[in-house]
Amino acid sequence: DGGITQSPKYLFRKEGQNVTLSCEQNLNHDAMYWYRQDPGQGLRLIYYSQIVNDFQKGDIAEGYSVSREKKESFPLTVTSAQKNPTAFYLCASSILLTKGNQPQHFGDGTRLSIL
Amino acid sequence: EDQVTQSPEALRLQEGESSSLNCSYTVSGLRGLFWYRQDPGKGPEFLFTLYSAGEEKEKERLKATLTKKESFLHITAPKPEDSATYLCAVQDTDSWGKLQFGAGTQVVVTP
Repeated sequence: DGGITQSPKYLFRKEGQNVTLSCEQNLNHDAMYWYRQDPGQGLRLIYYSQIVNDFQKGDIAEGYSVSREKKESFPLTVTSAQKNPTAFYLCASSILLTKGNQPQHFGDGTRLSIL
Repeated sequence: EDQVTQSPEALRLQEGESSSLNCSYTVSGLRGLFWYRQDPGKGPEFLFTLYSAGEEKEKERLKATLTKKESFLHITAPKPEDSATYLCAVQDTDSWGKLQFGAGTQVVVTP
């Protein structure tokens, strides 16, 4: 079955530590996205990528970094510079947007907490 | 700046009691409006895309409608399995690649 796989499901970060969240898709989608979800707030865009080896900052990129070395993979690193990392992180993908108003499809998220 | 506001924040329904959720938006130009369903601890599941005022889409007990300033998600004769958080998101013609999400409406349907 085609879909988006996020791992791990739960992750704990120690102070001063960088942690990496994995996102893999087998939908052959060109575009991939990372969102952060906090209680009572809408999803906020961290980074997005339209093509391999290229990505753009979203609305809340500070303290995060990404890479896009393969079409299927878009890992997110939460660095020690992100002072409030506790949240539910969602990865999404879509057909390249120049081809129309295509919906984004989501993985089942990673819940990150501070130890 | 684009804004998306969903109301109510929470809705408690008896099984079979129909109701509507609201999503109001302000964008310079609407490229598309999307409805998603999210279960606890899961990612959002795509339901509908609406493109222009007057458009309607249906899926089982759900029906989405769109005007120039808002969208409604009507739930007809809901069942307990319709309990979820419903999210609305808009895509602006000026902000290529981005979706602006509302905070969602949490729906609980009791037997």
